[in-house]
Amino acid sequence: DTEVTQTPKHLVMGMTNKKSLKCEQHMGHRAMYWYKQKAKKPPELMFVYSYEKLSINESVPSRFSPECPNSSLLNLHLHALQPEDSALYLCASSQDPGSSGANVLTFGAGSRLTVL
Amino acid sequence: AQTVTQSQPEMSVQEAETVTLSCTYDTSESDYYLFWYKQPPSRQMILVIRQEAYKQQNATENRFSVNFQKAAKSFSLKISDSQLGDAAMYFCAYRWGQGGSEKLVFGKGTKLTVNP
Repeated sequence: DTEVTQTPKHLVMGMTNKKSLKCEQHMGHRAMYWYKQKAKKPPELMFVYSYEKLSINESVPSRFSPECPNSSLLNLHLHALQPEDSALYLCASSQDPGSSGANVLTFGAGSRLTVL
Repeated sequence: AQTVTQSQPEMSVQEAETVTLSCTYDTSESDYYLFWYKQPPSRQMILVIRQEAYKQQNATENRFSVNFQKAAKSFSLKISDSQLGDAAMYFCAYRWGQGGSEKLVFGKGTKLTVNP
């Protein structure tokens, strides 16, 4: 299995809703990432998990809450979002931090989020 | 701060012809990695090619090759024998850091159109 799987593909939510995005990989990668991509813009890093521990938080608002329950799974919990949070959310993974393979990220197809 | 600049918002090429996409970056690091990713309308970020900064030899992957000029901090992508399936947004990316604190930052992208 060489894929990163993201669900759902599309999500529409109101500003008072609570929802979650899910990301899964079975490549044995030990680093996982969340990126946010607005239309016609490059992806921007949000969070990095290394060995299931949060290693980087790029000053993301607390209405986004990441969780890494195990080495294969990464969640992004969403609460009280704003319309400007509407974007494509990309998950990625890479091999053990420190290994040569750690520098190649494998991306999922993304979850398209619309906040009404 | 590490930055990546792609000066060509859009490029077009005739099928079977060759096109070169430009990328420059700014860094004070000595150990880093450079990548080209493509993102077709399907949204999936796909690795095209990568280059380790310590390697002088330019990377090549089939029809894709790079011209890596470390002193000039330039990293251009050449696509030979362009195919319709090459049409996509191409992002140049720079990765640095170690031990779980690696970061990948993207340029703004170049939209490539392939004309039949």
